[in-house]
Amino acid sequence: GAGVSQSPRYKVAKRGQDVALRCDPISGHVSLFWYQQALGQGPEFLTYFQNEAQLDKSGLPSDRFFAERPEGSVSTLKIQRTQQEDSAVYLCASSLALRFGVYNEQFFGPGTRLTVL
Amino acid sequence: KQEVTQIPAALSVPEGENLVLNCSFTDSAIYNLQWFRQDPGKGLTSLLLIQSSQREQTSGRLNASLDKSSGRSTLYIAASQPGDSATYLCAVGRGFQKLVFGTGTRLLVSP
Repeated sequence: GAGVSQSPRYKVAKRGQDVALRCDPISGHVSLFWYQQALGQGPEFLTYFQNEAQLDKSGLPSDRFFAERPEGSVSTLKIQRTQQEDSAVYLCASSLALRFGVYNEQFFGPGTRLTVL
Repeated sequence: KQEVTQIPAALSVPEGENLVLNCSFTDSAIYNLQWFRQDPGKGLTSLLLIQSSQREQTSGRLNASLDKSSGRSTLYIAASQPGDSATYLCAVGRGFQKLVFGTGTRLLVSP
């Protein structure tokens, strides 16, 4: 596709439910990132994939958060036993590659707004 | 731990004014700095990307500068228009490309 797509765009969950958020990166982009954006704040890093390898998950707030990218393309962020503090916009971004330390621009999807009641 | 601060938090100007948004960061060991625009309910649109070896980047009415040694970047918007109204975020990248974001500047340009 032309850009990064995310689904669903909006998700309402009851506290304690599990949710799964999907990200389709730009075709051919090797790197994929998940960020969490609370209301009125800047996005905060959650986790990073290079192809199917999860190279950094230092930003995941608890073991209830899990991300995967099994075939190196589509990624899913799963949140188990959702809590009210998980309410936020979850943003996915992709970039072309990391070559010799050269940074590649990150392109963001529209985000999934999660509301936990 | 890298911290990114943006000043002002909000800015309201009449159409046609030139304006400057400020971004500062505490750790100068960065690979790059990126400026984004975010419209309400939308994702982030990349405006300008400055590599650590560069001093500035320009795109249309936008100019961004980077001073690594002082930990500062500015985004200059010339001849502002109502369509420029949005939240502007700066982010610095270091290590595995992850970005550390500021909290943004909410800009309102009035006709």
